[in-house]
Amino acid sequence: DADVTQTPRNRITKTGKRIMLECSQTKGHDRMYWYRQDPGLGLRLIYYSFDVKDINKGEISDGYSVSRQAQAKFSLSLESAIPNQTALYFCATSDPLQGGNEKLFFGSGTQLSVL
Amino acid sequence: RKEVEQDPGPFNVPEGATVAFNCTYSNSASQSFFWYRQDCRKEPKLLMSVYSSGNEDGRFTAQLNRASQYISLLIRDSKLSDSATYLCVVNEGGGFKTIFGAGTRLFVKA
Repeated sequence: DADVTQTPRNRITKTGKRIMLECSQTKGHDRMYWYRQDPGLGLRLIYYSFDVKDINKGEISDGYSVSRQAQAKFSLSLESAIPNQTALYFCATSDPLQGGNEKLFFGSGTQLSVL
Repeated sequence: RKEVEQDPGPFNVPEGATVAFNCTYSNSASQSFFWYRQDCRKEPKLLMSVYSSGNEDGRFTAQLNRASQYISLLIRDSKLSDSATYLCVVNEGGGFKTIFGAGTRLFVKA
């Protein structure tokens, strides 16, 4: 079983619809992240959470919201989807290590298409 | 200027070739550095961390030059299975400030 699981794997929706992407992890990490990836661009951070009571905006949070339901669960919502939110979305976790050499562990991704 | 810049490629090389990728970063205060590998439409996976003294993992060698703010990845004896996109990743400290390059695409051909 994957350590970081995203659902759904693929989703097609229409402009204006509300969408939720789910992420769960069995790694026991406190830190969780949501990224999006667009062709020709690096992954960009949407939101991150360092523990259940901590939520922070990333580089491109407009149009998105998140919920950290438990240490293992971090969901991403698009309240009213628009076509330029079509992208590949990744959830990730990390565990802070001494020396700052912090590695990210990714889920398999959710391909979202907004028509 | 992008925070992390990579040559997008693609690099097309024959099996057995040696290929090198470069990456530059803009923040001199960056603390940790990585190379990730991403197969088409799949999740990025850590290939190796990059240390100031340089480090090697089998056919892969990573180098860091802090003065020039430059990271490199060398792949020796390329295999077909090395075909992927290689992401240069820089962490500016604190975990959340992780910057991804757009990636360098590698095709290894028989």
